[in-house]
Amino acid sequence: AQSVTQLGSHVSVSEGALVLLRCNYSSSVPPYLFWYVQYPNQGLQLLLKYTSAATLVKGINGFEAEFKKSETSFHLTKPSAHMSDAAEYFCAVSDSRKIIFGKGTRLHILP
Amino acid sequence: DTGVSQNPRHKITKRGQNVTFRCDPISEHNRLYWYRQTLGQGPEFLTYFQNEAQLEKSRLLSDRFSAERPKGSFSTLEIQRTEQGDSAMYLCASSPLENVNTGELFFGEGSRLTVL
Repeated sequence: AQSVTQLGSHVSVSEGALVLLRCNYSSSVPPYLFWYVQYPNQGLQLLLKYTSAATLVKGINGFEAEFKKSETSFHLTKPSAHMSDAAEYFCAVSDSRKIIFGKGTRLHILP
Repeated sequence: DTGVSQNPRHKITKRGQNVTFRCDPISEHNRLYWYRQTLGQGPEFLTYFQNEAQLEKSRLLSDRFSAERPKGSFSTLEIQRTEQGDSAMYLCASSPLENVNTGELFFGEGSRLTVL
């Protein structure tokens, strides 16, 4: 069965610093992987997706993620954090019928 | 606004009462999903519909929970005899059929349930 594990329920970075949110997946077949973001008092929205076309995936707001099969990882990065990036981020995997989410990582941006 | 709409946004009820939530998906989206989210957790899958057919239900969906999508458009999620453990945010999402593996679910803002 497909699943994802997010390392770190809270991550704090200074404004302008690198953002790195970690996600490892478990899948018996080539996975479809995603990152969703949930801003305060808003619904979840898709940040980016991996569907096997390219291992480095670019998303909205300057985020990107790299699929590494050898490490079963799909970590999310952004070179320079902005205050507006403060939100909860969810890694997710599809089992072709539904999306299965990780427990989330709350990103705090320090001024 | 053509996004996913959920009502009510907040519901406070006493233990043992029944509650019903409604979700209006983006029109023409074939699939409709219900998730539950508690504090510190990611969204947990409850059930999904393809048009009016309920195709999968999670073990989380006890017999006190029932979901319907009678005409393949809006959906309702009813919780009977609520318990304090039912307190959560109930999320609805929809997607066109062909987008399941592309992961693009369109979420509503959720219905928050508090059971006293």
